[in-house]
Amino acid sequence: GIQVEQSPPDLILQEGANSTLRCNFSDSVNNLQWFHQNPWGQLINLFYIPSGTKQNGRLSATTVATERYSLLYISSSQTTDSGVYFCAVEAPFGNEKLTFGTGTRLTIIP
Amino acid sequence: DTAVSQTPKYLVTQMGNDKSIKCEQNLGHDTMYWYKQDSKKFLKIMFSYNNKELIINETVPNRFSPKSPDKAHLNLHINSLELGDSAVYFCASSLKRSGGNWNEQYFGPGTRLTVT
Repeated sequence: GIQVEQSPPDLILQEGANSTLRCNFSDSVNNLQWFHQNPWGQLINLFYIPSGTKQNGRLSATTVATERYSLLYISSSQTTDSGVYFCAVEAPFGNEKLTFGTGTRLTIIP
Repeated sequence: DTAVSQTPKYLVTQMGNDKSIKCEQNLGHDTMYWYKQDSKKFLKIMFSYNNKELIINETVPNRFSPKSPDKAHLNLHINSLELGDSAVYFCASSLKRSGGNWNEQYFGPGTRLTVT
């Protein structure tokens, strides 16, 4: 099946810093989503981005489908950005299931 | 106006018991899923239903039985609970469409199951 790798596994930053999270995947995808799992365990949709670039406030994402990677940018980090960020992909003919990466744990220090 | 809801949020039970988790979505979606998140935060698909029909069953022990009474509900029944079943179980839903966001999935708040 499709493989999804995320880097770095852990990231500790000062409030106000910028960060880039990476997601590599091993095959073409129909769907790619970024999620934020907050400290209360809730999975929050950030972006649906199988290709191209999107922005939402301080967050933006870019997926280069031909090179099989996606990047999530967080600018001017706030403590509420802490949590685990997951990339999840759906492969063609994958029965619509999402395969998740192992996540990046982001800790923002005040 | 919760989109995907699950009950209960927490479930603590003893080995050998049978328990159920319920999921409901009010998004008008046609596909629903159960995912399991283990203690290392790894998320993996368990089941998927489309229009009440099972389409994914990912090598889950047959002690786990999903049931979809209608498109808006997907329940998970677990028999003879084992210590290794302790995890967070997430329900999700999506809508297949020919344009726009194909199969974008939305997740419920999760049910933390602890088996003692």
